[in-house]
Amino acid sequence: RKEVEQDPGPFNVPEGATVAFNCTYSNSASQSFFWYRQDCRKEPKLLMSVYSSGNEDGRFTAQLNRASQYISLLIRDSKLSDSATYLCVVNFPRGGGNKLTFGTGTQLKVEL
Amino acid sequence: NAGVTQTPKFRVLKTGQSMTLLCAQDMNHEYMYWYRQDPGMGLRLIHYSVGEGTTAKGEVPDGYNVSRLKKQNFLLGLESAAPSQTSVYFCASSSVYGTEAFFGQGTRLTVV
Repeated sequence: RKEVEQDPGPFNVPEGATVAFNCTYSNSASQSFFWYRQDCRKEPKLLMSVYSSGNEDGRFTAQLNRASQYISLLIRDSKLSDSATYLCVVNFPRGGGNKLTFGTGTQLKVEL
Repeated sequence: NAGVTQTPKFRVLKTGQSMTLLCAQDMNHEYMYWYRQDPGMGLRLIHYSVGEGTTAKGEVPDGYNVSRLKKQNFLLGLESAAPSQTSVYFCASSSVYGTEAFFGQGTRLTVV
């Protein structure tokens, strides 16, 4: 089982739609969680951190379910500019420290 | 605001050639990382450094060496390039190990 698993997609949605991505992680001792966005042929950039209480940033909402070991990202009123790959990132304790483990990403295509 | 800068951006090598990828960050971050990204594999950690003069192996260190002689620079070396090392390489840095990482623009390396 992969340490961080995501549905690779692609998710093709019309502009204005609401879309949700899920990500599962294997290590129950994981301490912090993030969603990164990666545009085609570009570097990953932090979209938002994910907190136990859930957090919202404009049209984006992230949720964490520690009991079921998954995190989610909800995008409302999707825009063409939201087309990208969304990477789920989990901070695992490992080898005396912590390290970021990246999922393979979920591709989103927003269409007219 | 340069952030994290990688050079070169593109390179084609012949099998058996050597090269060094340079990563420089101007954020005074202690931690620096080298990742490779391959289709369907996500970002995989090659080597990382928790401070000047220190390096450690990540998930896929074989065939690579690194050095961190100055806090702001992290070098990735390929002593004898192989076609399996064809990939996109990303350098990243963070202020604390395992928290938000800032990425360079990537280096597209092809080994023929």
